[in-house]
Amino acid sequence: DVKLVESGGGLVKLGGSLKLSCAASGFTFSDYYMSWVRQTPEKRLELVAAINSNGGTTYYPDTVKGRFAISRDNAKNTLYLQMSSLKSEDTALYYCARHDYYGSAWFAYWGQGTLVTVSA
Amino acid sequence: DIGMTQSHKFMSTSVGDRVSITCKASQAVSTAVAWYQQKPGQSPKLLIYSASYRYTGVPDRFTGSGSGTDFTFTISSVQAEDLAVYYCQQHYSPPPTFGAGTKLELK
Repeated sequence: DVKLVESGGGLVKLGGSLKLSCAASGFTFSDYYMSWVRQTPEKRLELVAAINSNGGTTYYPDTVKGRFAISRDNAKNTLYLQMSSLKSEDTALYYCARHDYYGSAWFAYWGQGTLVTVSA
Repeated sequence: DIGMTQSHKFMSTSVGDRVSITCKASQAVSTAVAWYQQKPGQSPKLLIYSASYRYTGVPDRFTGSGSGTDFTFTISSVQAEDLAVYYCQQHYSPPPTFGAGTKLELK
């Protein structure tokens, strides 16, 4: 069975940094695009970063560009999200999500999420 | 970015009813829309992609339709376990963007 387990969330001060991890199992991790999608306290869903299967191509929306960095270690079946210069609006539940198949842009599997709270 | 508007934040239904949830894109997205179900305390679950393709294992009481800017997600006969929040998402152009969700509740 596909399993995605996020970790690394917590309480961080404004302007601080945090690194999230997502351990993947049950599928050939190196075959799939992966993303981080966050759910705000208002329950809105927002993509914050995406990465292709070999890690050579990444995508960020303007809201996090220059502050967040997605990476992956295919040998360790692990996805990462390095977050810096955190703002209050970055407070959210962060999900690791696997794309359906090569090149698809919908999310077939989601982890249970890790909570990030940014405080003053 | 392409905006996705779900005009109903809540919809009331009864078990056995047919219910439809709508989603409107701010520009044409062909048939590049997915639908997700999220139950309390759970992560979103993919139900439909490319407007009308049911994902693996999804019951056939769930269907999707539409193209261009207007999309509909329908449950033909609501079951108690279908009470959840439903989100649409466009996968036409990056970044993929989501609607605000429609919560399906019992009357």
